Amino acid sequence: NAGVTQTPKFQVLKTGQSMTLQCAQDMNHNSMYWYRQDPGMGLRLIYYSASEGTTDKGEVPNGYNVSRLNKREFSLRLESAAPSQTSVYFCASNTLGLAADTQYFGPGTRLTVL
Amino acid sequence: QKEVEQDPGPLSVPEGAIVSLNCTYSNSAFQYFMWYRQYSRKGPELLMYTYSSGNKEDGRFTAQVDKSSKYISLFIRDSQPSDSATYLCAMTPTGNQFYFGTGTSLTVIP
Repeated sequence: NAGVTQTPKFQVLKTGQSMTLQCAQDMNHNSMYWYRQDPGMGLRLIYYSASEGTTDKGEVPNGYNVSRLNKREFSLRLESAAPSQTSVYFCASNTLGLAADTQYFGPGTRLTVL
Repeated sequence: QKEVEQDPGPLSVPEGAIVSLNCTYSNSAFQYFMWYRQYSRKGPELLMYTYSSGNKEDGRFTAQVDKSSKYISLFIRDSQPSDSATYLCAMTPTGNQFYFGTGTSLTVIP
């Protein structure tokens, strides 16, 4: 089992460029999440998908879009990148969104927007 | 006001010390409380979770929740250099939206 995988690991963009961050999990989890982690701000939820076919906004959704492609894959898109989106992005998953169920995190994508 | 407050540290202790990490929160609807450990340039991994108030022990780790004070703690006994990491508290009312603290950086000196 690979767990949660994310691609790419690193990315540098210029302001205004677009990109998609990919996430996949092989644990048959129903729920998937995208977070960003910034110094002094902790992990903040961008979007989540409680089940295949559904997505909901989290705490900081502006400037992002998501697609739950199938049960395994959940992508995050930046349509027009801004320097404020420089961050480390983590994808996570768990079963049915149960709080007592472990959220498994991917290794992260380090994004720099110049 | 943030939903979850956590002292960022950094915290530096000698090997073998007892470490106390704490978070406070404002939302009385939180029912599930978690502690994650994050090594440098890695994703967080779950250490412990607790439902409602009370204590939970797992090896050298003890998690405490005091809902009346809106205060949670993680104690690490006999701390080891391998415990050096950032510790994140997290909580949720229902399980769909998780709220994280900013993390406390811990260094255990051999």
